Amino acid sequence: AQKITQTQPGMFVQEKEAVTLDCTYDTSDPSYGLFWYKQPSSGEMIFLIYQGSYDQQNATEGRYSLNFQKARKSANLVISASQLGDSAMYFCAMRMTDSSYKLIFGSGTRLLVRP
Amino acid sequence: SAVISQKPSRDICQRGTSLTIQCQVDSQVTMMFWYRQQPGQSLTLIATANQGSEATYESGFVIDKFPISRPNLTFSTLTVSNMSPEDSSIYLCSVLDSLGADTQYFGPGTRLTVL
Repeated sequence: AQKITQTQPGMFVQEKEAVTLDCTYDTSDPSYGLFWYKQPSSGEMIFLIYQGSYDQQNATEGRYSLNFQKARKSANLVISASQLGDSAMYFCAMRMTDSSYKLIFGSGTRLLVRP
Repeated sequence: SAVISQKPSRDICQRGTSLTIQCQVDSQVTMMFWYRQQPGQSLTLIATANQGSEATYESGFVIDKFPISRPNLTFSTLTVSNMSPEDSSIYLCSVLDSLGADTQYFGPGTRLTVL
């Protein structure tokens, strides 16, 4: 069965520094997609970045990058130059490899950026 | 990406009553989903809303409790029936963006409190 694990319930980072949020996954399928979402206190889910299992390079989107280590089945999110507005919950998710396109989510990591 | 709106944004309801949540998208989308996020928890998929046919429910969710309609490619409703305090959650709809990475984009969510 497919599974997403986020082992860090909470993280602190100093403003302007970089932070890595961990995500490991488990699947036996060769084709899959991995996503990171940000959820501020308002409750909305904001898509940040995507990594496909066949992508040769790590995904990057502005200050967000994904450290994809396929052999280790990890897809860690790196946020560079943290800002106060980055304080939020962060969820890692994996798309089911059947035709349903369903997402399964990890338990999330709460990031707090200190001024 | 598609612009998604949800109504209401929040509500406080009495136990035993029902609430219908609306999800509107500014463009036609093939797939829409409904998720529940209980307090302090991650997201769990309730069902996939299918246009012109019955929704596909996940294990643990039933149509009598969470009836879903999807009359066209831009609109869906989720009803939470015969509510109890355990139904207090954020309910989010999402749509599948088939361009690119098949990314799901989420609406702003409906924060429901049942007394």
